[in-house]
Amino acid sequence: DGGITQSPKYLFRKEGQNVTLSCEQNLNHDAMYWYRQDPGQGLRLIYYSQIVNDFQKGDIAEGYSVSREKKESFPLTVTSAQKNPTAFYLCASSPALRAGRGTEAFFGQGTRLTVV
Amino acid sequence: GQQLNQSPQSMFIQEGEDVSMNCTSSSIFNTWLWYKQDPGEGPVLLIALYKAGELTSNGRLTAQFGITRKDSFLNISASIPSDVGIYFCAGSNRDDKIIFGKGTRLHILP
Repeated sequence: DGGITQSPKYLFRKEGQNVTLSCEQNLNHDAMYWYRQDPGQGLRLIYYSQIVNDFQKGDIAEGYSVSREKKESFPLTVTSAQKNPTAFYLCASSPALRAGRGTEAFFGQGTRLTVV
Repeated sequence: GQQLNQSPQSMFIQEGEDVSMNCTSSSIFNTWLWYKQDPGEGPVLLIALYKAGELTSNGRLTAQFGITRKDSFLNISASIPSDVGIYFCAGSNRDDKIIFGKGTRLHILP
């Protein structure tokens, strides 16, 4: 089945520890994204990557890091520098841009991170 | 950064009623997107709009891309219980960046 897989679904970590969230896609999409969702805040863009070995900061990149070593994979590390890491994290991917158009994103099931 | 203003924030309706929600932006977008999110799940793409003035339907859902490219609306006709959830608008341009609104939470009264 083609799709975007995030793992794990639920993750608990102690304060001060780094944690890495996995995102894999087999849709052959070029671009991948990480969003954070808090109640009442909608989806806020953390990082996105248009191509392997390249990525750009979104609106709330502080305290997060990413890598894009393979087209299929875009892991997100929540570092100890992130002051409020407890949130629902969503990964998405989108196909290559078409002439004159923007792009549409397809989402994984999300990872709920709780830091205690 | 770019922001999308989505309204209303929440809606309480009776089953069978029609629903209308909209999204506005201070920036132009080349693509407008509408998503639905169920609790604890990732958003699912409902409708994608690529051209100013475009009107697109998906079953009971209809969405339009505003002529100014700075707004879009979504209508749901004859609402049913499974329509409950959060509806998000999103805009994107050629730079691949996709920006989301804060969502409209739809409640259906028994």
